[in-house]
Amino acid sequence: SQQGEEDPQALSIQEGENATMNCSYKTSINNLQWYRQNSGRGLVHLILIRSNEREKHSGRLRVTLDTSKKSSSLLITASRAADTASYFCATDEGGYSTLTFGKGTMLLVSP
Amino acid sequence: DVKVTQSSRYLVKRTGEKVFLECVQDMDHENMFWYRQDPGLGLRLIYFSYDVKMKEKGDIPEGYSVSREKKERFSLILESASTNQTSMYLCASSFGGGDGSYEQYFGPGTRLTVT
Repeated sequence: SQQGEEDPQALSIQEGENATMNCSYKTSINNLQWYRQNSGRGLVHLILIRSNEREKHSGRLRVTLDTSKKSSSLLITASRAADTASYFCATDEGGYSTLTFGKGTMLLVSP
Repeated sequence: DVKVTQSSRYLVKRTGEKVFLECVQDMDHENMFWYRQDPGLGLRLIYFSYDVKMKEKGDIPEGYSVSREKKERFSLILESASTNQTSMYLCASSFGGGDGSYEQYFGPGTRLTVT
């Protein structure tokens, strides 16, 4: 069953601009994770934010989590062409350490 | 560096054939997962395993089975391939136990076409 839902489905920006992607989910979670997928490849883990955290940074990435609104956002600052990829949020609802992935946001960064 | 490898990047099989997709990880992870990814549907969990010889059904197990005889290896089996199993198959692994899930490490994927 699909838990997270990313918004927008697609985003097109110029290099140097910031990119913001949002994720909404339905049930309570232990943590929320963001992944990147380059075209036709496997997913790469970007960042994990626990349910008791509100904000987390990693390099040019900033993730926020609002458990009252059941939503998260991923901000990529000063985007580069190499950031072109699909981005997925994934939620851990507890149990066997499985994740439920959203359908992703396709980000295109033009030079 | 964690490495998850999958036996094939591309595979073409005929309807009715038995298909084996192999996945190997080198980080001594307890958990291993098989997903399929289809346009517009995202990633859907087929099966996962949290220990050797243990397996649990995911969201879409019908038409698939799995095998985990060794900790580092997790196989996905299509008993009788059908055209609706044409998809990208992704294997992943992670640590297990503890409180909540850990990050998952993915293989490069196998694009399977069933004709």
